Amino acid sequence: SAVISQKPSRDICQRGTSLTIQCQVDSQVTMMFWYRQQPGQSLTLIATANQGSEATYESGFVIDKFPISRPNLTFSTLTVSNMSPEDSSIYLCSVDSGNPDTQYFGPGTRLTVL
Amino acid sequence: SQQGEEDPQALSIQEGENATMNCSYKTSINNLQWYRQNSGRGLVHLILIRSNEREKHSGRLRVTLDTSKKSSSLLITASRAADTASYFCASGGSNYKLTFGKGTLLTVNP
Repeated sequence: SAVISQKPSRDICQRGTSLTIQCQVDSQVTMMFWYRQQPGQSLTLIATANQGSEATYESGFVIDKFPISRPNLTFSTLTVSNMSPEDSSIYLCSVDSGNPDTQYFGPGTRLTVL
Repeated sequence: SQQGEEDPQALSIQEGENATMNCSYKTSINNLQWYRQNSGRGLVHLILIRSNEREKHSGRLRVTLDTSKKSSSLLITASRAADTASYFCASGGSNYKLTFGKGTLLTVNP
């Protein structure tokens, strides 16, 4: 199984600022995914990040708010821009496992916006 | 889009008892998966059942799938305090995307 790390593990940020979250995988993967988990809620897919192409965003999420980079097959970043308290969530990255449809998840980044 | 719903939302049992969680979904699927999340951390994949399967076992886990009712259940037998976590079902389509349900918070009391 892939080992996924995320940085930072948690952060407290001020309204109006931006935070970039890093996701590192210990092996090359084709697809990486970014999810948001609001307090007490389930996971919602933000976007799919493929190396060499622009990320594909889900309905309700836009690139200006959540720009994503995928410079190689082991790394991706998600930026949460111009943050507001409503952005307070856990942000998780995941990767396809190589077995059809199964994903491995990183430990998450707990973001609090004041 | 698919939307999973788990019930119950919360379940509290004693160690050694069995825990059953249910999940419903709305559209056709390729597979149905269950994940566990401990205390707001990352998710751990537990088990996957394909749309042409009806039942699957893995250790103390048993999952069933009824595509006619668009529902699945996860049974954890002989529960342990370490099983305390949130459990999510996730429906998988043909595009590698997963749609997660709202989750069941399981508490196993020692």
